[in-house]
Amino acid sequence: GENVEQHPSTLSVQEGDSAVIKCTYSDSASNYFPWYKQELGKRPQLIIDIRSNVGEKKDQRIAVTLNKTAKHFSLHITETQPEDSAVYFCAASRRAGGTSYGKLTFGQGTILTVHP
Amino acid sequence: EPEVTQTPSHQVTQMGQEVILRCVPISNHLYFYWYRQILGQKVEFLVSFYNNEISEKSEIFDDQFSVERPDGSNFTLKIRSTKLEDSAMYFCASSEGGANNQPQHFGDGTRLSIL
Repeated sequence: GENVEQHPSTLSVQEGDSAVIKCTYSDSASNYFPWYKQELGKRPQLIIDIRSNVGEKKDQRIAVTLNKTAKHFSLHITETQPEDSAVYFCAASRRAGGTSYGKLTFGQGTILTVHP
Repeated sequence: EPEVTQTPSHQVTQMGQEVILRCVPISNHLYFYWYRQILGQKVEFLVSFYNNEISEKSEIFDDQFSVERPDGSNFTLKIRSTKLEDSAMYFCASSEGGANNQPQHFGDGTRLSIL
């Protein structure tokens, strides 16, 4: 089955700096890669996702890049703010349909702390 | 914006007792999921449900677990005889589905504590 590895496990940055979180996956059939932000005691919230037909996607201060050949994808947050502090999870999923119904396999999470 | 809702927010149960966790997915969504998160760990897939039947399940989802969509709105997870290791946060999620993966929206979760 799919295995998703996420690094680093903790990341501490100063406000205004950039933060990068990296994930690798093992299943070459995976083609959907969402990123979730989870604040303490709250639900995981989707912040950005990318499908395998594109290499990069950007939404304001957040971007995700995907390298299908190397089977890794990364989250980039620019101009970090204290409210970006949370746990970030990457995930991978196969194309829904056939024997797959969109099951998400999550990475271990990265605790991001942005210091004012 | 429509949300996935889960009840109760916190459930405390004696070991060996049955527990039912409830979820109301987003109304036009077709795919439903249960995940769990043990404190401080990653989110783990339990089961997916489509067209009124289980479509995929993980090794965690053994005979003690069952899911049901008893009516047009609710989606439930039942644990028949709870164990201490079932203590976790349980998240329900739903998506529009379709051939192209659609985003999964998560509920606020039910914190299950087994004593």
